[in-house]
Amino acid sequence: GAGVSQSPSNKVTEKGKDVELRCDPISGHTALYWYRQSLGQGLEFLIYFQGNSAPDKSGLPSDRFSAERTGGSVSTLTIQRTQQEDSAVYLCASSFSPGLVYEQYFGPGTRLTVT
Amino acid sequence: AQSVTQLGSHVSVSEGALVLLRCNYSSSVPPYLFWYVQYPNQGLQLLLKYTSAATLVKGINGFEAEFKKSETSFHLTKPSAHMSDAAEYFCAVSDRGTSYGKLTFGQGTILTVHP
Repeated sequence: GAGVSQSPSNKVTEKGKDVELRCDPISGHTALYWYRQSLGQGLEFLIYFQGNSAPDKSGLPSDRFSAERTGGSVSTLTIQRTQQEDSAVYLCASSFSPGLVYEQYFGPGTRLTVT
Repeated sequence: AQSVTQLGSHVSVSEGALVLLRCNYSSSVPPYLFWYVQYPNQGLQLLLKYTSAATLVKGINGFEAEFKKSETSFHLTKPSAHMSDAAEYFCAVSDRGTSYGKLTFGQGTILTVHP
């Protein structure tokens, strides 16, 4: 069946511009996670959604970062006024239910380059 | 806070040789432990996980890992490397007190397999 999909696969933007990254989780998966993979920081947790709510936003690096999830499905991560340090691969993962019994399935990521 | 250390950012082995990738965690309470693999331009795939059952965990593609509480380690092994094992491997932990599976990752180890 279809896995987690993310779009765009690559995004190049100028410093100061806003960007939106999209995640389509596996159908029926209620839990959704965003992670960031960068050379300097490795893989970091950003935010967790259960349904449309985000009980844990503790990994968002600044108030320029926000995310939403609608219909318990698609999620969008928005970065406002992008900075060069935002350059990274943004990974989305989903699981059938929160908790560690269920595997997190990862998408291929969006590679963001801020010039 | 949980942390994970992967010893060796690069490991190189010959095809057919033993693969050993090292992971140590820091926590007074043993967390849940995971190994993920990432092939180029792909998302992460779960290899195996430890959630307090048997200390020797078998995963996909012939990999296994042993949880050693006394050493706070969860090293990944494979008896005989294949060319197709070349990838980046991540060790990750999740706090038992976190109900929704938030993952903290190590810095990753790139495995090279040469003929």
